[in-house]
Amino acid sequence: DAGVTQSPTHLIKTRGQQVTLRCSPISGHKSVSWYQQVLGQGPQFIFQYYEKEERGRGNFPDRFSARQFPNYSSELNVNALLLGDSALYLCASSLEASSLTYEQYFGPGTRLTVT
Amino acid sequence: QQQVKQSPQSLIVQKGGISIINCAYENTAFDYFPWYQQFPGKGPALLIAIRPDVSEKKEGRFTISFNKSAKQFSLHIMDSQPGDSATYFCAASLGQNFVFGPGTRLSVLP
Repeated sequence: DAGVTQSPTHLIKTRGQQVTLRCSPISGHKSVSWYQQVLGQGPQFIFQYYEKEERGRGNFPDRFSARQFPNYSSELNVNALLLGDSALYLCASSLEASSLTYEQYFGPGTRLTVT
Repeated sequence: QQQVKQSPQSLIVQKGGISIINCAYENTAFDYFPWYQQFPGKGPALLIAIRPDVSEKKEGRFTISFNKSAKQFSLHIMDSQPGDSATYFCAASLGQNFVFGPGTRLSVLP
């Protein structure tokens, strides 16, 4: 079974540009969460989507947005990129969004560098 | 209250030794506590997890000890191997909102 897949693997952007990152969850998983991991730190929660609806949002500015598609894949968009947005962006999927099922499985991440 | 503290920041252990990583949390509403292992250039991989109604969980060489009253939990890696060298993150969650610790870089010397 394929795990969580993310694209692209690496990305280099210039300050002020916009970026779109993509994630495909594990087959059968309906919930997708996005995390930002700055080098040397733990992942920080950005968004959670379930059944195309936003179920949770972390402490990130409105420049960050996301959506989930009918096939449960997801996109993370970041506008007006800042140097501080350089990080590994991780996508995690889980079976459900209910409190009964917690296991999250992470993809390999997209390494974003903003110059 | 959403913070998860983790120590030590780095750890060096001899092959065959026991690696111990500790975490502490404040929010008593957290109800799921996983540990993740991350190798350079890879995403975190779920290692083992525990819920607060259990004081200990063991899977192979990995054991979680959980102290609800102290709001602390720890990961023990028995018979540590060079292949265990990685960064380990503890986390605490409320629903699907996971709060991660800052990580512990483990080096197991051959």
